[in-house]
Amino acid sequence: GAGVSQSPSNKVTEKGKDVELRCDPISGHTALYWYRQSLGQGLEFLIYFQGNSAPDKSGLPSDRFSAERTGGSVSTLTIQRTQQEDSAVYLCASSSTGTSAVGVTQYFGPGTRLTVL
Amino acid sequence: QQPVQSPQAVILREGEDAVINCSSSKALYSVHWYRQKHGEAPVFLMILLKGGEQKGHEKISASFNEKKQQSSLYLTASQLSYSGTYFCGTEAGGADGLTFGKGTHLIIQP
Repeated sequence: GAGVSQSPSNKVTEKGKDVELRCDPISGHTALYWYRQSLGQGLEFLIYFQGNSAPDKSGLPSDRFSAERTGGSVSTLTIQRTQQEDSAVYLCASSSTGTSAVGVTQYFGPGTRLTVL
Repeated sequence: QQPVQSPQAVILREGEDAVINCSSSKALYSVHWYRQKHGEAPVFLMILLKGGEQKGHEKISASFNEKKQQSSLYLTASQLSYSGTYFCGTEAGGADGLTFGKGTHLIIQP
């Protein structure tokens, strides 16, 4: 059906609070990725899910960041005890297969703009 | 390791041509090109697989030099709608998704 969706579109929070960001991938896509884009910067890889396998967490910047994917579909990125440097746009992408298949297009959601005051 | 894009920014008049380069220090399997308008998500343009192939769509094309680990995006007779930030994403194997460059800002003026 529709493309990748993310919610909320904008989130303003106070330093020290926890936030949850949601991603709904394209139906049938087995791979899901989270990226972070700071102002004026490129895209920074955070975490990758392939189906129901254990995720590759190698890109998570600290142990305050965690993510889960329920039923191989919807994913939630959680940031605990938010810091001002966490302010960024968090983008989710999905693809029909994972990185074991070379050259597979990733389709991006609109992103969640997180502002930590 | 993050690929390096050049130039960082380009300002063109409508109808002029532009070339955006992307280079990596790693052996690459593929290069992906995306365009991002301000406040929007990146939109896929094309993928180039190793083999030095060139792809194109209308007036936007790209090449991938496998030996040099470089890719170039060519925009011919640019249109106002081409304005945005162009990112290359590289795939070098492993399970870390795409690694993106910092982007090239393209401004097309009437």
